[in-house]
Amino acid sequence: IVMTQTPRSSPVTLGQPASISCRSSQSLVHSDGNTYLSWLQQRPGQPPRLLIYKISNRFSGVPDRFSGSGAGTYFTLKISRVEAEDVGVYYCMQATQFPYTFGQGTKLEIK
Amino acid sequence: EVQLVESGGGLVQPGGSLRLSCAASGFTFSSYDMNWVRQAPGRGLEWVSYILSSSSTTYYADSVKGRFTIARDNAKNSLYLQMNSLRAEDTAVYYCARGPDVWGKGTTVTVSS
Repeated sequence: IVMTQTPRSSPVTLGQPASISCRSSQSLVHSDGNTYLSWLQQRPGQPPRLLIYKISNRFSGVPDRFSGSGAGTYFTLKISRVEAEDVGVYYCMQATQFPYTFGQGTKLEIK
Repeated sequence: EVQLVESGGGLVQPGGSLRLSCAASGFTFSSYDMNWVRQAPGRGLEWVSYILSSSSTTYYADSVKGRFTIARDNAKNSLYLQMNSLRAEDTAVYYCARGPDVWGKGTTVTVSS
């Protein structure tokens, strides 16, 4: 399954919203009824960190300014008000079918 | 605290071998499926391999199939990745990951003569 993220780069003003899209080449609905689409954040020099799992569930400790939505083959990560600590690269990842695959990444930077 | 700590990375010549280890703590390791994910310098994330909690099922990326072997020892709370016939394109930071939710800090593998 090919995961395609847009945009590849997103310059955002502090306090403004940001949105990243992820499209899969086929449906991510698993035979068990779940959709295993996650969003990960990777800050510079750090390992990836889970933000959102199964489309829209915020992981423990993730600020509520992060939200996920979508279904089937189209998914979106939204940040309601960007803060300086949000700088980094964001990846969507599917774990519905092997091989697991990631989007190419979206670099979030501050204008 | 839930933690994964990778080790075993280093510099190896093309065609050589390396064994990575991942020590898990803070959770019941034997209950979780595990993965290896890598990231080449300046590149994105690439899933490498998966192993079921019981070790009965494994999967590999096409790029490493036949060369890498994933294994685990639930008694030692440890995950392994045996890497043989290494190539320059295997150069990357290798992360141990429990699903998408817990990641180690990674260990660096450099394949170069």
